[in-house]
Amino acid sequence: DVKVTQSSRYLVKRTGEKVFLECVQDMDHENMFWYRQDPGLGLRLIYFSYDVKMKEKGDIPEGYSVSREKKERFSLILESASTNQTSMYLCASRTTRTGQETQYFGPGTRLLVL
Amino acid sequence: EDQVTQSPEALRLQEGESSSLNCSYTVSGLRGLFWYRQDPGKGPEFLFTLYSAGEEKEKERLKATLTKKESFLHITAPKPEDSATYLCAVQISGTYKYIFGTGTRLKVLA
Repeated sequence: DVKVTQSSRYLVKRTGEKVFLECVQDMDHENMFWYRQDPGLGLRLIYFSYDVKMKEKGDIPEGYSVSREKKERFSLILESASTNQTSMYLCASRTTRTGQETQYFGPGTRLLVL
Repeated sequence: EDQVTQSPEALRLQEGESSSLNCSYTVSGLRGLFWYRQDPGKGPEFLFTLYSAGEEKEKERLKATLTKKESFLHITAPKPEDSATYLCAVQISGTYKYIFGTGTRLKVLA
């Protein structure tokens, strides 16, 4: 079974703090994703990494950065947290093998910025 | 513009009352369509992948079908434990992009 884990289930941070969210997958997947999920808006892509040290901006990258130093680990960084970044953050991974494009998700991190 | 729309937004069923959830899509090219189940406060759990029109997949009380414009998730004789939000996503051909619908919240009453 694919296993995607996220470092925290719940986080409470203050405005202006630097926040690190970490995601680890154990299936040797090449691609990893960070999404945020907000009521009525669905999942929106923040950043995508197609391989180690490789990244692409998604639809809403402003205020976020990412790091992928090892294949299994993908970190999302909020440089200076703001209240509008309160959300559910979901990490996903997938292989690049044709016919196996399914994304597998972690349990999510619910972030509250005060 | 690539778009995925799910309907209805919410659905209440009595236990045993079969129904269908709809996912309609308008995309430049379809690589695959994915169904997920999401329980409150948790990450989406993968259910099915469909790649071409006419394809069907089944798992327990769930059956997913795909046409050129939409997908249906049929729920036969649902039970209260089937209560969840069901998400549909489409992967755009030639890209890594997945477009998600906003989900259908299903409540099955005992």
